[in-house]
Amino acid sequence: EVQLVESGGGLVQPGRSLRLSCTASGFTFGDYAMSWVRQAPGKGLEWVGFIRSKAYGGTTEYAASVKGRFTISRDDSKSIAYLQMNSLKTEDTAVYYCTREGRGSYAPIDYWGQGTLVTVSS
Amino acid sequence: SYVLTQPPSVSVAPGKTARITCGGNNIGSKSVHWYQQKPGQAPVLVIYYDSDRPSGIPERFSGSNSGNTATLTISRVEAGDEADYYCQVWDSSSDHRCVFGTGTKVTVL
Repeated sequence: EVQLVESGGGLVQPGRSLRLSCTASGFTFGDYAMSWVRQAPGKGLEWVGFIRSKAYGGTTEYAASVKGRFTISRDDSKSIAYLQMNSLKTEDTAVYYCTREGRGSYAPIDYWGQGTLVTVSS
Repeated sequence: SYVLTQPPSVSVAPGKTARITCGGNNIGSKSVHWYQQKPGQAPVLVIYYDSDRPSGIPERFSGSNSGNTATLTISRVEAGDEADYYCQVWDSSSDHRCVFGTGTKVTVL
């Protein structure tokens, strides 16, 4: 059974940093691209960014709203994806979901974690 | 950047058909995926590549995509279908980014 478990959320002050972790199980983690998607309270889904599998270079892409502040990385030996968030703003307050992209071109997100809440407030 | 527009809400009586649209420039040339999200839960994939259903999703859920509009259709609507629904595409016009629709709240009357 595929499982994605996020951790590391919490309350943080504006301008500070936070690192989220996503521990995966039930599949060969290194074979898949992993994405982070967030949802502000009462709002819709917003893609944050993703990291390709090593077979595709392990490169990353980001939404314009977080580019330069957020960094996604992965440790295939531990089946963990990370989201490093720097220079946090109040508008970054959201539930952050770790997700897995399916195989193939323009694939859907086929699995989601339960999410972790990040609150940016002074 | 690419924009996907959905109606904020759709209301439907039990047993009837709900249609949720997702508008985007030439969306018919893209692959569209649909997600269902119930309150307090993570989204679940209900339709992928325009019209395919993952295992475990009822046949009542179907999808189509042509021109500037993709549509998610829920036939014989049940109370348990009440949820938010989001369409999604990958936009390769600038780098490679995931785009979600604005979301539609389906209310079962």
